[in-house]
This record gives sequence, structure tokens and C-alpha cells, in this order.
Amino acid sequence: DTEVTQTPKHLVMGMTNKKSLKCEQHMGHRAMYWYKQKAKKPPELMFVYSYEKLSINESVPSRFSPECPNSSLLNLHLHALQPEDSALYLCASSSQPHPRQPQHFGDGTRLSIL
Amino acid sequence: AQTVTQSQPEMSVQEAETVTLSCTYDTSESDYYLFWYKQPPSRQMILVIRQEAYKQQNATENRFSVNFQKAAKSFSLKISDSQLGDAAMYFCAYRSAEGGSQGNLIFGKGTKLSVKP
Repeated sequence: DTEVTQTPKHLVMGMTNKKSLKCEQHMGHRAMYWYKQKAKKPPELMFVYSYEKLSINESVPSRFSPECPNSSLLNLHLHALQPEDSALYLCASSSQPHPRQPQHFGDGTRLSIL
Repeated sequence: AQTVTQSQPEMSVQEAETVTLSCTYDTSESDYYLFWYKQPPSRQMILVIRQEAYKQQNATENRFSVNFQKAAKSFSLKISDSQLGDAAMYFCAYRSAEGGSQGNLIFGKGTKLSVKP
């Protein structure tokens, strides 16, 4: 069982829809991450939150909007996505943003854009 | 910029045998961390082992061990007594410890490991 919980596990949406991905951890971790992973590729970093503040945005298009309402919760709001945005979206957390701390990943949300 | 290379797209091992997965990286930094992650078909990325660049001793976690050669910039993973549950995609990853604490995890392209019964 993963200690980082992502919902939903699967999401199918049209290009005009608005949806949100949710990530939750109760390990007291203060850094949280969003990754995008295409099939048979490694994960690519999208955003990093450190102590509930956005610290890294890897030039992600504005149709992806992250939000960190509290230290346990991380959302990714989706709007007007493109078919190429279909991918596995992974959330991760670490106890501190320090690079020594390993990142713990959730099971991901498989997103399909019609 | 740092890069991570896994030269073996696919590997196969017989159950109970030993297999070594290769990873090389390129960096001009002296302080960094290296990781091996495992991603089974269930999708979750699971940390297998971690190595700190300033430590000469190779990390070990039960059946998993690394051969860390800093001068050669090599970080291979050895899996002993392979089990069916070891079948997965294995990613080697690098993370800088310099330039602040926000360094990204840089992943290799992965090695798909199959375990034959």
C-alpha cells in the first residue's frame, strides 16, 4: 500500500472539460511534487511545492494549475487540455525538499484526453 | 546539464540468479545523490536504494546492492536471488545537492527487467 494517495486512478475527459487531480499524504512531509510520465518514458518533473509554496514550475503550460491548500494535500487543476497531455500523472512527497530525502510516489492517475 | 544513461533497455534473469543493471551519469558537480527506483506494472515508483556521492561505501538493501564508481560516474544495481516480484521497470536517478535544495530528480530512460521462473 502506498502512503501517497492519488485520486482518481483513471480519468477520461474532453478538451473543454475542467477536472482536478488530488494527491494526499499523512506522513508529515513538507515537499510535494507533480510528475508527468508518458508511456515507456521516465517521469518528468512539472511542479515542486516546498512548505506549501510553489518553488519550481518546469515551464508547464497554464492549462495545468497546481494548488497546495495545506501540507497534506496537493491538487492539479486541469482545463482545456490537449490530446498530447494524455499520460500518467504521478504525485510524490519527501520529508524535506532537501535532495538527500527520497521521494515517495503515489500510484498515479492515468489521464486520457479525448 | 546533468544526464543519466541506462544503456540496457531490457534485461532478463532466471529466478534465483543474479543480475546487474547499468547506469552512468554525467555531471561536473561533486556533491549529489543517486537513486534506483522500481516501477512495476502497478505504476507506483518504489525507491529501491540510495547512494550519497560523498560516501565511498556502496549502499546495500537486502538483496539489492550498488557498485558506485564515482570517478567513472557509474552506478550499477545488483539484484541477488532474483524473485518474480522483481520484474519491473528500473529507473536510475540523479539529484544535485548543489545550487540550493530544490534540485530535480533526473531519470534515465529505464531498464525493463523480466524474471523467468
